[in-house]
Amino acid sequence: ETGVTQSPTHLIKTRGQQVTLRCSSQSGHNTVSWYQQALGQGPQFIFQYYREEENGRGNFPPRFSGLQFPNYSSELNVNALELDDSALYLCASSLGEGVEQYFGPGTRLTVT
Amino acid sequence: AQKVTQAQTEISVVEKEDVTLDCVYETRDTTYYLFWYKQPPSGELVFLIRRNSFDEQNEISGRYSWNFQKSTSSFNFTITASQVVDSAVYFCALSEAENRDDKIIFGKGTRLHILP
Repeated sequence: ETGVTQSPTHLIKTRGQQVTLRCSSQSGHNTVSWYQQALGQGPQFIFQYYREEENGRGNFPPRFSGLQFPNYSSELNVNALELDDSALYLCASSLGEGVEQYFGPGTRLTVT
Repeated sequence: AQKVTQAQTEISVVEKEDVTLDCVYETRDTTYYLFWYKQPPSGELVFLIRRNSFDEQNEISGRYSWNFQKSTSSFNFTITASQVVDSAVYFCALSEAENRDDKIIFGKGTRLHILP
């Protein structure tokens, strides 16, 4: 059974640019959630996708958007990057509601 | 309002000592889940335990044990006979079952140093 994978591992971008982060969910999982973890903080919920539809969203501006594909993999897109977007971005997959979410290793984004 | 508070920012203990990580939560829901995750330096969040709000039995898994007390809204985590490999950041977290999504609300974490 393959776990949750994320790419790239690290990324450096310039303020104002756009970035796409990718996540492959654990085999059989149809739900993907994205979290942002700033340095020294706990992860914060960005949004969740269930069967290709957004299923909930945290307190993040619209320049944070996402997609889920038929194979349940997912993308997180961030437009007009700001310095405060520098963080570890974590993807978690699960099978339906009310069950454990399994986290990937994360993508560390640095915005300069 | 949903909130998870981990008052201990950082703890250092000598190897083989027992250590307890505190967690206090706030929720208006009657059905919710509580979690503990471990985050080693590699950054990946490792799932340790999930408890639902109707199950107040304490749980033990090897050197790890958890004490859930609804009366004080606490879900504390104890490591017995700590080892250097236990050094990590530990997060307590809450998920409300009545939410359409399963968003997990994390505390700010407790950084645990186990000294050899």
